[in-house]
Amino acid sequence: KQEVTQIPAALSVPEGENLVLNCSFTDSAIYNLQWFRQDPGKGLTSLLLIQSSQREQTSGRLNASLDKSSGRSTLYIAASQPGDSATYLCAVFSGSARQLTFGSGTQLTVLP
Amino acid sequence: KAGVTQTPRYLIKTRGQQVTLSCSPISGHRSVSWYQQTPGQGLQFLFEYFSETQRNKGNFPGRFSGRQFSNSRSEMNVSTLELGDSALYLCASSRERDDYGYTFGSGTRLTVV
Repeated sequence: KQEVTQIPAALSVPEGENLVLNCSFTDSAIYNLQWFRQDPGKGLTSLLLIQSSQREQTSGRLNASLDKSSGRSTLYIAASQPGDSATYLCAVFSGSARQLTFGSGTQLTVLP
Repeated sequence: KAGVTQTPRYLIKTRGQQVTLSCSPISGHRSVSWYQQTPGQGLQFLFEYFSETQRNKGNFPGRFSGRQFSNSRSEMNVSTLELGDSALYLCASSRERDDYGYTFGSGTRLTVV
């Protein structure tokens, strides 16, 4: 059974800092990995999608990497802003199971 | 381009009642999945539909059911509601191929009293 772990559970940083969120998964037989953002009481917003054959994806100030063999992904946020404050969720898609398995998220607070 | 639309946004129901939630996927997306999010359990997979067929089901009791229509719209139903069913229910859609990732709706917040 696939298990996804995100560290840290919560993170508070001053504005402008670069930061890294971590995600690990137990079964490396994944199809892809997706990073989401969730604001309080809202749905999920997709940030980046990395296919199993890819090593990284970039969008603006966000960069996500994937090391399938070691079961790890990182989300790098450059020059953080207060508007980045949200919960960040990592999810892996296993083709055989046909479902996303989510981590419990990292709650990020960026202080002005 | 319209996103994934879930209705209603909020619901308050009494224990023992039943409820139906609706999800309209992005145009052209034929796969619809449902997830339950609670503070204690996080995000858990309920079921996935493709071309009106349930392809996969999570570990939830039979009180949770769903269906998909020919226009790809989906509904999920929960019968005999329990207090523990209070949650944010999220719907996600994707294209036929799995490597395009999932787009989520804003969710339906269900409160059972």
